[in-house]
Amino acid sequence: AQSVTQLGSHVSVSEGALVLLRCNYSSSVPPYLFWYVQYPNQGLQLLLKYTSAATLVKGINGFEAEFKKSETSFHLTKPSAHMSDAAEYFCAVSVPPSKIIFGSGTRLSIRP
Amino acid sequence: EAGVTQFPSHSVIEKGQTVTLRCDPISGHDNLYWYRRVMGKEIKFLLHFVKESKQDESGMPNNRFLAERTGGTYSTLKVQPAELEDSGVYFCASSQGVRSTDTQYFGPGTRLTVL
Repeated sequence: AQSVTQLGSHVSVSEGALVLLRCNYSSSVPPYLFWYVQYPNQGLQLLLKYTSAATLVKGINGFEAEFKKSETSFHLTKPSAHMSDAAEYFCAVSVPPSKIIFGSGTRLSIRP
Repeated sequence: EAGVTQFPSHSVIEKGQTVTLRCDPISGHDNLYWYRRVMGKEIKFLLHFVKESKQDESGMPNNRFLAERTGGTYSTLKVQPAELEDSGVYFCASSQGVRSTDTQYFGPGTRLTVL
C-alpha cells in the first residue's frame, strides 16, 4: 500500500535561508508523487509532481524536489525563503487509478 | 478560466442537523473528487466521480454521507444527520483525465463545524 510520511509538522526558517521540507514514501509500485501548498484561506495548489520522467523536479515559486529511490524520499527545497512562502505544505502519492493519499502536512513559518 | 468553487465556505450546524455542500468543478473536467481533513489529521479521500457515475467511494465514512453529481456537472455532498466527528474541512477537486499523473485542481474547501 502507498503512503507518505512528512517529518516535522512545523518548520521555521529565516527569510533568505534554505527551505527543506522532508517527505518519505512507501510504495509497492513506482510512485507518482506530488507536493501541494495551501496558503491561508485558499485551496490546495500543486507545486510540482514527479512522474518518473526526471528525478529532479522543478515547480512553481522556485521550489524543487528530488526523487531518491534508494532513500524513498521526495524532499522539497527552495534555496532562499521569502515571507510569501509561509503556508502549509503537503506531500502526496497517487494511488491508481486516481486517488491521492496525503501526508499530514508541514506548516512553514518564515522569520523576518 | 474559473477554478474549482465550493459553497458555502463555512457552515456551522447543530448535531443531528443536515448540511449540503456544493462543488462546481472546472468546466470540462469529467472527474470530480471529494476529500476531507478532520482537524489535526491528514487530508483523506472520500470519493471519485467520473461524469455522473461513482468510480470509487471507498473513502466514504458511513451511510450518513451521500454524494451526488446529477448531469455530470456540479456535485453535492450531504451529511444527514451530522455528528460532532464530521467537523473538518471538505475539499473538492477536479481533473480532466483519470490517470495517476493527471493534476487534480482543488477548491478552497468548506469548513464544517458541528456543535
